[in-house]
Amino acid sequence: QKEVEQNSGPLSVPEGAIASLNCTYSDRVSQSFFWYRQYSGKSPELIMSIYSNGDKEDGRFTAQLNKASQYVSLLIRDSQPSDSATYLCAVSGSGYSTLTFGKGTMLLVSP
Amino acid sequence: NAGVMQNPRHLVRRRGQEARLRCSPVKGHSHVYWYRQLPEEGLKFMVYLQKENIIDESGMPKERFSAEFPKEGPSILRIQQVVRGDSAAYFCASSPSDSGANVLTFGAGSRLTVL
Repeated sequence: QKEVEQNSGPLSVPEGAIASLNCTYSDRVSQSFFWYRQYSGKSPELIMSIYSNGDKEDGRFTAQLNKASQYVSLLIRDSQPSDSATYLCAVSGSGYSTLTFGKGTMLLVSP
Repeated sequence: NAGVMQNPRHLVRRRGQEARLRCSPVKGHSHVYWYRQLPEEGLKFMVYLQKENIIDESGMPKERFSAEFPKEGPSILRIQQVVRGDSAAYFCASSPSDSGANVLTFGAGSRLTVL
C-alpha cells in the first residue's frame, strides 16, 4: 500500500517568512513528485513538480527531493496571506501510474 | 481553452437514490481520473479510464460505484443507492495522451450531499 504522509498542521507563519512543508512517502520506486495547493472549497492546483534529487525553484517556491530518504519538501519564501491554503503532496511511479496524495498540510500566513 | 468541466457542481440526494456525476476532460486529453475527497481528508484515487476502457479501478468500492468513459461524451461516475458516507467532493482530472499520468488538471469538483 503506497502511503504519503504529511503533517496536517496548521502551520502558522507571519507574512514575509519562509514556510517549510514536508512530505514522506513509502514506495521506493516512486519517480514523480508534486505539490498541489487547494483553497478551501476549491479544486487542487498544481504548483510544483520535481523528478530528480535536489532542488527546483520556481519564483517564490522551491521543491526539494531526497529519494534516499524518501522525502520531499516545499519551501515558500516571502509568504503572503494569499498563500494560506492546504498543500497536498502527491507521488507517482513511472508512466501512467496514478497519483497518491497525502492528506495535506494547512498553511496559515498571518498579516 | 476550457479546462476540465464537471457537473453538477452540487448534488443533493436522499439515501437510496442514484447519483450521476459527469466530467468532460480538457480538449485533447484522453485520460480521465476520478478522486474522492472526504471532509478533512486527502484525495483518494478511485478509477482511471481511457476512452471505452477502465485502466485501473483499484480505488473503487466494490459495490454501488461504477464509472465509464464512452467514445463520445463525458465520463460518468455513477453511485447507486447512495448512503450518507458517500457525501464528499468528487474530483475529476485529466491528462494528455502524450505524457504520463503525472500532470493532472483537475475540475472544480462535484459536491455530493446525501440526506
